[in-house]
Amino acid sequence: GAVVSQHPSRVICKSGTSVKIECRSLDFQATTMFWYRQFPKQSLMLMATSNEGSKATYEQGVEKDKFLINHASLTLSTLTVTSAHPEDSSFYICSAPGVGTGRGNTIYFGEGSWLTVV
Amino acid sequence: DAKTTQPPSMDCAEGRAANLPCNHSTISGNEYVYWYRQIHSQGPQYIIHGLKNNETNEMASLIITEDRKSSTLILPHATLRDTAVYYCIVRGLGGTSYGKLTFGQGTILTVHP
Repeated sequence: GAVVSQHPSRVICKSGTSVKIECRSLDFQATTMFWYRQFPKQSLMLMATSNEGSKATYEQGVEKDKFLINHASLTLSTLTVTSAHPEDSSFYICSAPGVGTGRGNTIYFGEGSWLTVV
Repeated sequence: DAKTTQPPSMDCAEGRAANLPCNHSTISGNEYVYWYRQIHSQGPQYIIHGLKNNETNEMASLIITEDRKSSTLILPHATLRDTAVYYCIVRGLGGTSYGKLTFGQGTILTVHP
């Protein structure tokens, strides 16, 4: 079963508004989570590393004030797309490294969240 | 992490084995080979990983050459549901990049009846 869950799976928002996407590790603690973005027919691009209890680390070219990341607990990271524009429409995916016997060294991905900005 | 090279697309008949190659000629000694797949509109799904020995699980087999410069993912009996983009990723397990994966373009595997 899924070990990393995202919510919502699909969201439509109006241009200029903000939208929050949640990423949860279901049965393990994740001090680090990762956020990716994927445009149609393209590969996944890492946006940022979410660190529990500290600031996120953003990849080059990703606006930290536009894509707010909060990792307030060991099982939850959130990505907030602020002042969304149509070009922010994309598939957003989170991941977390597994821990423990049988899951260590494996990175697990959420189901992804489709964002459409109209 | 080392770069990987995969063919952009492959076809396979249902019920036959699908053999997906990956080149990773610059892999270093402590880097693993990971395979993920992504079915349309879903997050990537972990398939298998290995360091230097061949590996097998319920989904697939991973064959790594002795010099570790290439590998092959084998789906022994492909089904229509195996149609997906398959990503071969080389990853170290330590340092600040732990958990961070770099995705290439992958191989689009199409399984046909």
